Amino acid sequence: DTGVSQDPRHKITKRGQNVTFRCDPISEHNRLYWYRQTLGQGPEFLTYFQNEAQLEKSRLLSDRFSAERPKGSFSTLEIQRTEQGDSAMYLCASSLAQHAGNQPQHFGDGTRLSIL
Amino acid sequence: QKEVEQDPGPLSVPEGAIVSLNCTYSNSAFQYFMWYRQYSRKGPELLMYTYSSGNKEDGRFTAQVDKSSKYISLFIRDSQPSDSATYLCAMSEMDTGRRALTFGSGTRLQVQP
Repeated sequence: DTGVSQDPRHKITKRGQNVTFRCDPISEHNRLYWYRQTLGQGPEFLTYFQNEAQLEKSRLLSDRFSAERPKGSFSTLEIQRTEQGDSAMYLCASSLAQHAGNQPQHFGDGTRLSIL
Repeated sequence: QKEVEQDPGPLSVPEGAIVSLNCTYSNSAFQYFMWYRQYSRKGPELLMYTYSSGNKEDGRFTAQVDKSSKYISLFIRDSQPSDSATYLCAMSEMDTGRRALTFGSGTRLQVQP
């Protein structure tokens, strides 16, 4: 399978714990994006990387959230001191960078986070 | 008011019907328009990707963009029960450097056999 891969698919944790998710993009894609989706809503943008550089962050990305893409390949998203409101599906997407224009983003199947 | 508005449905149609899904938007900087299909507990799957105003056809799907009215549509011909899913419109800006997609809230479609 050459699509976007996310791990784990489902994470259940207690409030206050830290969690980390991993995303492996499509191999030739140099842009990687994180989104959050709650029930009945469309995905909301969190942040994106071009190669290893984090170029854009949403105001939704509070200081409890941190994302990394250390070698420009896979990425991790960490949430510290989880809260009930963090329960959501966390989606990763990837795309090719072009000199001009936006290439379409391809999504993984997400990590569903449930906070007890 | 949200930047992208989409009727949540649900929309129920008989098999074989033509389905029309729509979104309106307010941000004039949106220049790229996409439609995604999302099945339950899965990620969004790209169906259509357009840049300019006008129509784009791919099999049973036709995407239509009217930038003057800030209105986009997706038509599904000969709808099948397997088309039952949530359909998300998404848009992104051009010339601003922003790469984020802004999504509608999704329309849930049910195709009855």
